[in-house]
Amino acid sequence: DQQVKQNSPSLSVQEGRISILNCDYTNSMFDYFLWYKKYPAEGPTFLISISSIKDKNEDGRFTVFLNKSAKHLSLHIVPSQPGDSAVYFCAASAGSYIPTFGRGTSLIVHP
Amino acid sequence: EPEVTQTPSHQVTQMGQEVILRCVPISNHLYFYWYRQILGQKVEFLVSFYNNEISEKSEIFDDQFSVERPDGSNFTLKIRSTKLEDSAMYFCASSDRGANTGELFFGEGSRLTVL
Repeated sequence: DQQVKQNSPSLSVQEGRISILNCDYTNSMFDYFLWYKKYPAEGPTFLISISSIKDKNEDGRFTVFLNKSAKHLSLHIVPSQPGDSAVYFCAASAGSYIPTFGRGTSLIVHP
Repeated sequence: EPEVTQTPSHQVTQMGQEVILRCVPISNHLYFYWYRQILGQKVEFLVSFYNNEISEKSEIFDDQFSVERPDGSNFTLKIRSTKLEDSAMYFCASSDRGANTGELFFGEGSRLTVL
């Protein structure tokens, strides 16, 4: 039962271009969404979050967009840098429940 | 910068053996979690712990699993009798607020290999 889906297992982008990572969810009760980044041999680190009362949240090069009607969110990285190469996990939670994670998308940014 | 630390980084064990994975959460955090990731699969929630008791657990967290905060700093996950399918990367996390309102800080993970 995949309530949080990241349908692209990998994404390859040129340095300086935009990276767009997508995430779909099925549970309409989800009201808080997070993106985590994970390098090999490290634990996930928090990147950015968005509450369901917003449709956009920006933090430097990272912007998360939320489309509640489509049950879709995306993470934009502009401009992409080689150091952004990592696995990105989308997570969602409903009320006081623990976040549910997606399978992750591996981003590779080529110099 | 404060961080969550986990030991061991890698443990190999025989099926049926008991395993204890240790975590030191960030010192002023109140909420503690264990997640795991089987190779190539999603990060799965196991259990959350607050105020010295389990606050939530998943279906994965059956009677073979237990958690403990034996002192003021450590948070442990015990698997009583390991199975092959317990092989995974186990992540400890902590937060100063509930997981649905703030970020979780993860440790680097403990890789468990059950033979």
